Amino acid sequence: TQLLEQSPQFLSIQEGENLTVYCNSSSVFSSLQWYRQEPGEGPVLLVTVVTGGEVKKLKRLTFQFGDARKDSSLHITAAQPGDTGLYLCAGGPAAGGTSYGKLTFGQGTILTVHP
Amino acid sequence: KAGVTQTPRYLIKTRGQQVTLSCSPISGHRSVSWYQQTPGQGLQFLFEYFSETQRNKGNFPGRFSGRQFSNSRSEMNVSTLELGDSALYLCASSLDPGRKETQYFGPGTRLLVL
Repeated sequence: TQLLEQSPQFLSIQEGENLTVYCNSSSVFSSLQWYRQEPGEGPVLLVTVVTGGEVKKLKRLTFQFGDARKDSSLHITAAQPGDTGLYLCAGGPAAGGTSYGKLTFGQGTILTVHP
Repeated sequence: KAGVTQTPRYLIKTRGQQVTLSCSPISGHRSVSWYQQTPGQGLQFLFEYFSETQRNKGNFPGRFSGRQFSNSRSEMNVSTLELGDSALYLCASSLDPGRKETQYFGPGTRLLVL
């Protein structure tokens, strides 16, 4: 069974601060996706990383996939109140097997950015 | 291009009843996955359908079932509802998940079982 440990669970910071969220596993994933979810809504895709060591930037957000494709991080620079929400990492199944269509999710990080 | 749509958005049922939820994937997407989201367990995979065939199933009891139609629309059914079935039910679509295909989520159906 593949598991993703996401940390921290809660982050409360002031506007302008930087933060990093981590997702770690002992399993290899074919891809790592990051989502942001607002209360009562579905997760909205932020990025997909598929290559070990890959780094992607989306404005103030930087995503990294570990070399061994077992871990990932999300770094936000100069956080803003609009960044507030639940951040989820999700791993795609490794090659082989029959885990079609199954993403393994971390428990999520609830981020609150105070003005 | 329209996103994933789910109906209804909200539903209230009582224990013992059954419920059917609907999901329309993004146009051209042939794979639909369903997830249950609760505060305690997070997002858990229910099942995945591709070309009207269930290819994968999570660890949920047989009360949870689904199907996919020829136009890729999908439904999931929960019979004999229990209080613990109260959750946000999410569906996600992708072209064909393969191993790296990105999944796009709908807004979810909030189910409350009384």
